[in-house]
Amino acid sequence: GQQVQQSPASLVLQEGENAELQCNFSTSLNSMQWFYQRPGGSLVSLFYNPSGTKHSGRLTSTTVIKERRSSLHISSSQTTDSGTYLCAPYNTNTGKLTFGDGTVLTVKP
Amino acid sequence: EAAVTQSPRNKVAVTGGKVTLSCNQTNNHNNMYWYRQDTGHGLRLIHYSYGAGSTEKGDIPDGYKASRPSQENFSLILELATPSQTSVYFCASGETANTEVFFGKGTRLTVV
Repeated sequence: GQQVQQSPASLVLQEGENAELQCNFSTSLNSMQWFYQRPGGSLVSLFYNPSGTKHSGRLTSTTVIKERRSSLHISSSQTTDSGTYLCAPYNTNTGKLTFGDGTVLTVKP
Repeated sequence: EAAVTQSPRNKVAVTGGKVTLSCNQTNNHNNMYWYRQDTGHGLRLIHYSYGAGSTEKGDIPDGYKASRPSQENFSLILELATPSQTSVYFCASGETANTEVFFGKGTRLTVV
């Protein structure tokens, strides 16, 4: 089956520092979606990124399909960024959106 | 943004009982999904659907059935609930294959 690996598993930052989250997948796919989840909360879509680079405020997503990787960059982190970040590659051959285990980010004041 | 509504939000069920989790989306999306989320396992796909009348098995379908009676509604059915099915269940929808997916707020199911 399709394997999705996210790194790091957890990350602790001081407010103001930047973060780089990685997502690697083992099979070919057609798009990537990044989600944010607070403890006990639902999943909020951050980026739907088939390829290339997208920006949203302090967040940047870069997906390189041929290299089977995607990254999420958070600049000038804030305490409200704390939570879990999940990547989900989409395989149109199977119609499935498969999730990595996530990166747990903690931003300290 | 797409609206995906799950009900109930919380449910306590007895072992061996039947449980139905409901999901409704109002954006005319073709694809709908049911996931469960457990500590240590992340989000795992149970069933999904390409449209009314269609249901497909996901990665962990055993013990679950799904029903898509209309474009808007997608249900997850546990015919004989077991304690191992205690989890948080999320429904999601997307316009078509390979488009952005939107999630509901989740249903916390406890089987005692």
